[in-house]
Amino acid sequence: AQSVAQPEDQVNVAEGNPLTVKCTYSVSGNPYLFWYVQYPNRGLQFLLKYITGDNLVKGSYGFEAEFNKSQTSFHLKKPSALVSDSALYFCAVRDQEGGGNKLTFGTGTQLKVEL
Amino acid sequence: SQTIHQWPATLVQPVGSPLSLECTVEGTSNPNLYWYRQAAGRGLQLLFYSVGIGQISSEVPQNLSASRPQDRQFILSSKKLLLSDSGFYLCAWKTQNTEAFFGQGTRLTVV
Repeated sequence: AQSVAQPEDQVNVAEGNPLTVKCTYSVSGNPYLFWYVQYPNRGLQFLLKYITGDNLVKGSYGFEAEFNKSQTSFHLKKPSALVSDSALYFCAVRDQEGGGNKLTFGTGTQLKVEL
Repeated sequence: SQTIHQWPATLVQPVGSPLSLECTVEGTSNPNLYWYRQAAGRGLQLLFYSVGIGQISSEVPQNLSASRPQDRQFILSSKKLLLSDSGFYLCAWKTQNTEAFFGQGTRLTVV
């Protein structure tokens, strides 16, 4: 079965500093990986995805993610954090075994950016 | 462009009452549709998905049901709500080669 793990419940970073939100995956076959962000009482917003190609994927709002096959990781990064980046971040993987083209989500990481 | 509508945004219902949450998608045809529940503001649990009209797959046994009467309409229902049905419900759509797009969610509180 496909799965993703987000080892950190919360990440704190000062505004202007680089941020990293970690995600590792377990899949059979080639992984299709996604990052989403959720603001309070809102739906999830898509940030970026890795399907194939360059290991460094660039997405919305200045975020990027690095796909590392040997470490089975897909960490989300941003060079300079903003207070407005504070939100809940989810990593997800597409289920390639079952039907329905489903996404399996991690447990989420709360990012807090402080002045 | 594609949009997804989910309503109501918030709902307070007594235990034992029925439930109907509706989700509609515009701008795409034959999408896969999904209902997720998010408890305590954290992880998402997939409840149901549908790959076509009238086709419903349940991921977990529960007090809820889903229906897809039209291509771009997905409904989550219950005949009698339980306290444990409280949560944040999210509808989403996806095609084979796209990411998933989510509605704005429904906050359900069963009292």
